[in-house]
Amino acid sequence: EPEVTQTPSHQVTQMGQEVILRCVPISNHLYFYWYRQILGQKVEFLVSFYNNEISEKSEIFDDQFSVERPDGSNFTLKIRSTKLEDSAMYFCASSVHRNTEAFFGQGTRLTVV
Amino acid sequence: KNEVEQSPQNLTAQEGEFITINCSYSVGISALHWLQQHPGGGIVSLFMLSSGKKKHGRLIATINIQEKHSSLHITASHPRDSAVYICADYSGGGADGLTFGKGTHLIIQP
Repeated sequence: EPEVTQTPSHQVTQMGQEVILRCVPISNHLYFYWYRQILGQKVEFLVSFYNNEISEKSEIFDDQFSVERPDGSNFTLKIRSTKLEDSAMYFCASSVHRNTEAFFGQGTRLTVV
Repeated sequence: KNEVEQSPQNLTAQEGEFITINCSYSVGISALHWLQQHPGGGIVSLFMLSSGKKKHGRLIATINIQEKHSSLHITASHPRDSAVYICADYSGGGADGLTFGKGTHLIIQP
C-alpha cells in the first residue's frame, strides 16, 4: 500500500542551526502539506504546496520556514535558524486533490537544544 | 475562525464495550477526517466523510452537516484500539489545511 515516508524519524539540533526535514509523498498525489504538533498540543497546519508553489500557509509559517520540491519525489521543510520553541513533531501529508483524504507520514520528532 | 471540539478528552472502557467519541465544529465544512494516533506519534487516516455514515470493520463514523456534528463509534472494543482519536475538518471557507481537534485519549482495558 502506498505511504508517505519521512526522514529522519528523530533529529536533535542546536538552537540557531538549520534543519531540513524530508518527505516522500504518495506518487500520484498533487497536494502536499506540513503540519506540526508541539508536545501535548493539537496538530496545527503549517503549509500546503501544489504545482510547485505554496498554496496556503498559516501564521506559524513565517520567514524562518521554507518548503521545496527539489526533485520529482521529495518534499522538504527547512527551518533556517531553529529556536527552542520549534521543538515538535512535524508531519508531512499528501492528498490526491485539495480537500480530499490526506495521508500522513510517521512524523519527524525535532528536538532543539 | 473554525473551531473543532471533541468529547470526551479521555475515555477508559472495558474490552467489548461500545465506544462513542464526539466531534463538533463551528463553521460549514467540505469534509471531515477521523484519524488515529498511537504512542510514538504516527497519524493514520480512518475515515473521511462529508455526509451520512461510513463503516470499516468495527469502526463507524457518522456526520450531521446541519448540526455540525460527527461521531466515531467502535463496536466490540479491544485493547489494541487504545490510541488517541482525532477529528479534523476542511473548513468550508476553502482552507487547504485541516483544522484539528485536541483528540480523545482512549484506553481499553482487558
